[in-house]
Amino acid sequence: QPVLTQPPSVSRAPGQRVTISCTGNSSNIGAGYDVHWYQQLPGTAPKVVIYGNNNRPSGVPDRFSGSNSGTSASLAITGLQAEDEADYYCQSYDSSLRGWVFGGGTKLTVL
Amino acid sequence: QVHLVQSGGEVKKPGASLKVSCQISGYTFTSLGINWVRQAPGQGLEWMGWISAYNGNTNYAQKLQGRVTLTTDTSTNTAYLELRSLIADDAAMYYCATQYQLISYWGQGTLVAVSS
Repeated sequence: QPVLTQPPSVSRAPGQRVTISCTGNSSNIGAGYDVHWYQQLPGTAPKVVIYGNNNRPSGVPDRFSGSNSGTSASLAITGLQAEDEADYYCQSYDSSLRGWVFGGGTKLTVL
Repeated sequence: QVHLVQSGGEVKKPGASLKVSCQISGYTFTSLGINWVRQAPGQGLEWMGWISAYNGNTNYAQKLQGRVTLTTDTSTNTAYLELRSLIADDAAMYYCATQYQLISYWGQGTLVAVSS
């Protein structure tokens, strides 16, 4: 079972806003370790869309944003476009496991 | 820009060993830690382990302890993943990844099939 918990799927219409949650515990997100979010299109490697909790790499639209609170984090995407349809994963570090931990992934469908 | 290039796909028999390489360019190799992550077909991302290219220190995922070994070759800026005693459940896409200034950079992936 993944250490971080994400909803398996979400769906919204184009132009709408969606948030994807990522719940951890006191050994990872709750301990203050950074959360990163990846977008994965079929057949491709994960691509960073948010790093260090709320930072966007160059080239990622400002429609993507991240936030943290306590033992949870969220990825928000506004003005949804068809090209945003993908799997999204959250990732942090866990001090008990001494390594990266991932969420199980959320499949975003843009209706 | 940090760039990671992995070795090509492999087909292995159950019980065999696998060795995947990951050559890194664009930054000082010995300043990096390299993570290995795998993804079984239709499944999520699974962290396998980490190695420091500075001193070779390693951390492994508990479920793989005893079957996995991570190494580096600083003369070629290459990291290696070795996985032994392969089983069907080891069939996956294997990725190397490193972090530079908080941003993770990933290799293109190495597809491994396990079949008799």
